[in-house]
Amino acid sequence: GQQLNQSPQSMFIQEGEDVSMNCTSSSIFNTWLWYKQDPGEGPVLLIALYKAGELTSNGRLTAQFGITRKDSFLNISASIPSDVGIYFCATMNSGGSNYKLTFGKGTLLTVNP
Amino acid sequence: DGGITQSPKYLFRKEGQNVTLSCEQNLNHDAMYWYRQDPGQGLRLIYYSQIVNDFQKGDIAEGYSVSREKKESFPLTVTSAQKNPTAFYLCASSIGGRGREVRGYTFGSGTRLTVV
Repeated sequence: GQQLNQSPQSMFIQEGEDVSMNCTSSSIFNTWLWYKQDPGEGPVLLIALYKAGELTSNGRLTAQFGITRKDSFLNISASIPSDVGIYFCATMNSGGSNYKLTFGKGTLLTVNP
Repeated sequence: DGGITQSPKYLFRKEGQNVTLSCEQNLNHDAMYWYRQDPGQGLRLIYYSQIVNDFQKGDIAEGYSVSREKKESFPLTVTSAQKNPTAFYLCASSIGGRGREVRGYTFGSGTRLTVV
């Protein structure tokens, strides 16, 4: 099946620092999604990207759809303690009969106050 | 408010017993999914359903069964054949179904199953 390489696997940062994580694949995709999972809860969609080169922000979060359509990154600026959680990238090929998301293995973020 | 509800939040099962996890959505979504989450493993797809009365195996379907008798409901049964059932189980739904474009998933809050 399709493989997504998400890195880093985990991060330990101080409050106020910026964070960057990314996902890469050997396959081309039409959509990139970024989810956050709080401890003991289900993932929640943060940002959706539908066009190569697209750069989208959601508050302190910024994500980009790579121009090659094989990668995406997520940046978090000025981290705060509530940013703690697992961040997942996910992809799919839109249109037609494709209906399943493929998820990265996640980046576990810990923020020290 | 529309959403997707999983119950119970915590579930304990004795070895050799079957147990059913509930997933209900009132989002009018066609497609529903079950994932298993283990530490460091990410999300692994168990079963999915694009339409009522139809479902397909995912990557780790062995030891699990599902039904999709109603659009709103997609219960997952963890059978005694599942050798390592202790995990966090997530249900999701999406507006896309058969022949329709998926625009991301809405997840439930999960059920933590522990075998005792």
